[in-house]
Amino acid sequence: EDKVVQSPLSLVVHEGDTVTLNCSYEVTNFRSLLWYKQEKKAPTFLFMLTSSGIEKKSGRLSSILDKKELFSILNITATQTGDSAIYLCAVDPPIQGAQKLVFGQGTRLTINP
Amino acid sequence: NAGVTQTPKFQVLKTGQSMTLQCAQDMNHEYMSWYRQDPGMGLRLIHYSVGAGITDQGEVPNGYNVSRSTTEDFPLRLLSAAPSQTSVYFCASSRGKNSGNTIYFGEGSWLTVV
Repeated sequence: EDKVVQSPLSLVVHEGDTVTLNCSYEVTNFRSLLWYKQEKKAPTFLFMLTSSGIEKKSGRLSSILDKKELFSILNITATQTGDSAIYLCAVDPPIQGAQKLVFGQGTRLTINP
Repeated sequence: NAGVTQTPKFQVLKTGQSMTLQCAQDMNHEYMSWYRQDPGMGLRLIHYSVGAGITDQGEVPNGYNVSRSTTEDFPLRLLSAAPSQTSVYFCASSRGKNSGNTIYFGEGSWLTVV
């Protein structure tokens, strides 16, 4: 059974700190690994990673995938209170398609001013 | 820009009642799905559809029915509500199989079963 595990489950830091969120997976094969940010309502897309070792970057956020060790990390530098959210990692298994995502439990990130 | 619209946003049900969560998208997407989100468990797939007239079960289908009579609509029916179905429900849609970065989620439906 495909499984995605995120750590830590909860993290509280001060504004300006750098955080690293982890996502490990037990999926035989997959098309892509996805990161989402969820504030009060629907998850919003952050990154899609398909190749190992290639960093994706968007402002203060970056993410990388290691297909050999079966994990991905999401880094946020110079955190701001607006970064407070649940961060979700998901894998998109092959064949079944994008509508059968397998999600991790999420990491609840709290940024204190 | 409507995107994915879910109704109702909040609902309280008594055990044994039935109800339907509505989901509509106006982007002509082929793929639609329903997820539930419980504390500490991320999102879990209930049912999904790859096109009008085609549905299939996800990870946690028991107690739910779906149908896809049109491309736009994908309602989720709770047949006989149970407290274990208290959750937040998200409908999602996308163009097709290779659309991992263009999955659109509705804003969620908070359901409480008492």
